Amino acid sequence: AQSVAQPEDQVNVAEGNPLTVKCTYSVSGNPYLFWYVQYPNRGLQFLLKYITGDNLVKGSYGFEAEFNKSQTSFHLKKPSALVSDSALYFCAVRAATDSWGKLQFGAGTQVVVTP
Amino acid sequence: NAGVTQTPKFRVLKTGQSMTLLCAQDMNHEYMYWYRQDPGMGLRLIHYSVGEGTTAKGEVPDGYNVSRLKKQNFLLGLESAAPSQTSVYFCASSRVSDEQFFGPGTRLTVL
Repeated sequence: AQSVAQPEDQVNVAEGNPLTVKCTYSVSGNPYLFWYVQYPNRGLQFLLKYITGDNLVKGSYGFEAEFNKSQTSFHLKKPSALVSDSALYFCAVRAATDSWGKLQFGAGTQVVVTP
Repeated sequence: NAGVTQTPKFRVLKTGQSMTLLCAQDMNHEYMYWYRQDPGMGLRLIHYSVGEGTTAKGEVPDGYNVSRLKKQNFLLGLESAAPSQTSVYFCASSRVSDEQFFGPGTRLTVL
């Protein structure tokens, strides 16, 4: 079985400061990892993914994430947060061998960026 | 290119009533998924489809049925709604190993 843990329900950061949202996962075999963002009353928007290759993945809106196999982590980062980054962030994982593409989502982390 | 669309956007049902949620995608994706989102629980997979005419159960399938008669459409049915099915429902579609694209959601309240 696969699982995702997002240990922080909420992350508070001041605008201009670095933002980190943590994610750890458990999956059989190699993982495919994803980050999504959800703004109020909207669907989920894709930010970035790790499939294979470089452990540092760059995505939309200046976000990046680092895949760490030994720590089974895939933390989301942004060097300088904006107020508009305030949203709900989801980490998701699937096994590379899962031909159905089924994702397991974390519970989500609310990011609040204050001016 | 509308992406993934869902109808209706909002619905209020009484216990025991039935309804169908419609999901449509115009990206020619083979794979489609239905999730429910509840506070503090992330998204949980209800049913999914890997092609026209094929469906399978996800993590929380009880009380729901699905059909995929056309590649672009994926229907989610509630035969006899219960208050526990009050939730926000999201549809998504994808190619096999790519990211999933999500619809805007349907907010369902069962009284």
